[in-house]
Parts: sequence; structure tokens; C-alpha cells
Amino acid sequence: DTGVSQNPRHKITKRGQNVTFRCDPISEHNRLYWYRQTLGQGPEFLTYFQNEAQLEKSRLLSDRFSAERPKGSFSTLEIQRTEQGDSAMYLCASSPISYEQYFGPGTRLTVT
Amino acid sequence: AQSVTQPDIHITVSEGASLELRCNYSYGATPYLFWYVQSPGQGLQLLLKYFSGDTLVQGIKGFEAEFKRSQSSFNLRKPSVHWSDAAEYFCAVGARGSNDYKLSFGAGTTVTVRA
Repeated sequence: DTGVSQNPRHKITKRGQNVTFRCDPISEHNRLYWYRQTLGQGPEFLTYFQNEAQLEKSRLLSDRFSAERPKGSFSTLEIQRTEQGDSAMYLCASSPISYEQYFGPGTRLTVT
Repeated sequence: AQSVTQPDIHITVSEGASLELRCNYSYGATPYLFWYVQSPGQGLQLLLKYFSGDTLVQGIKGFEAEFKRSQSSFNLRKPSVHWSDAAEYFCAVGARGSNDYKLSFGAGTTVTVRA
């Protein structure tokens, strides 16, 4: 079990630039989730996939955010025209059919 | 929609002392309940979970939690804290019996362990 991996671990970008993060879930897990965590807060749900289908999106996920999971394996989260308010830790999790979710180490985004 | 409250933002405990972290949830039925731990700059590690059955659940690292339906609580306990337990702890709730698989997290409790 190699666990959930995320890349990059850290990203510093200038306001207005686009960024893309990658998540590789545990191989046999068919559900994949994205959460955002700001300082001093718990993770907040952004979106989730079952296999390649994106089944739910939070209203936190503005039009500048898009997520994909082609072929039901890895997933990418893209943020276009980044804003300073996008600075946060972006966490990916995966789960089997049951409800327990296993989290990756996160990608910390800093928008300057 | 479900929600979680962790009333204690920060707890300081002496090494070897017992620890209890409080978690209260709001949900119309019995939810799925979880405790996660997060070390600085890291992702979340699952400590334990409650789905059904015995209301006292055992987890990793010597932690346990008790589900109390009457109090809508799921408090986390450890009899003797080690310095390595210093971290942030999150309680989370999931909706049962629906197609809603996301977790709702509390704001977390930071645990400091003093020697």
C-alpha cells in the first residue's frame, strides 16, 4: 500500500497564473475527493469522483476551479487566474466502497 | 446537512497524563464518525472510525472514542499521552445511507504536550 500521493508538495505562484495539482489515489480505491484547508480550519470539501465521473461539486469550487479524473485513476485540480484567497493546503483523499477516506500529504499553494 | 463542533481550540497536557478531546455533531440520524490526526505540514491520518455496533471504538496509537447518541458526541481519549501525540486532531462526520460521501470536519483541536 503506497498510500495517496500528491504533487507538487509546495507551489508558489503569482496572482493571475494558472496552477495544476495532481493526486494519485490508492490503486484499488474508486472514489477520490478534493478538500481545501486554510490555516486554523478543518478541511472543506471541494469535489469528488466515483471512477471517472465527477458526482458532486461544492459551491466553494468557483468557475476558476476544474477537476478531472480521466480513466478513473489519477486526478488533477486546476486553478485558473489564481487569487491570494486561493492560498491554502489542497488535500486529496481516496476511499474504497466504504466511507473511510485516506488522505495524501497535500499540496500547499501560496499565491503572491 | 451535517456539521461538527470541536469546542476546544487548544489543549495542553503533560506527558503521561490522560487526554480527552470533545466532538459534537449535528445530523438527523446516526452518522458515520471519524477522528483524524494531522502533524504540521502533513496530510490527515485516520485514527479511528465509528460505523455501527459497539459504541466504544479502538483506534491506532492507543486512542479510543465513544459514541453517545443521546449527547450527539464522539469524544476521543487516550489514557497516557506521549510527546509524539502533539498534533492537530479533527473530528469528521459523514452522512449515512445517502449518496453523499463527503466528510464534514470540525475546526480542529491543537494538542500540546509538555514534558
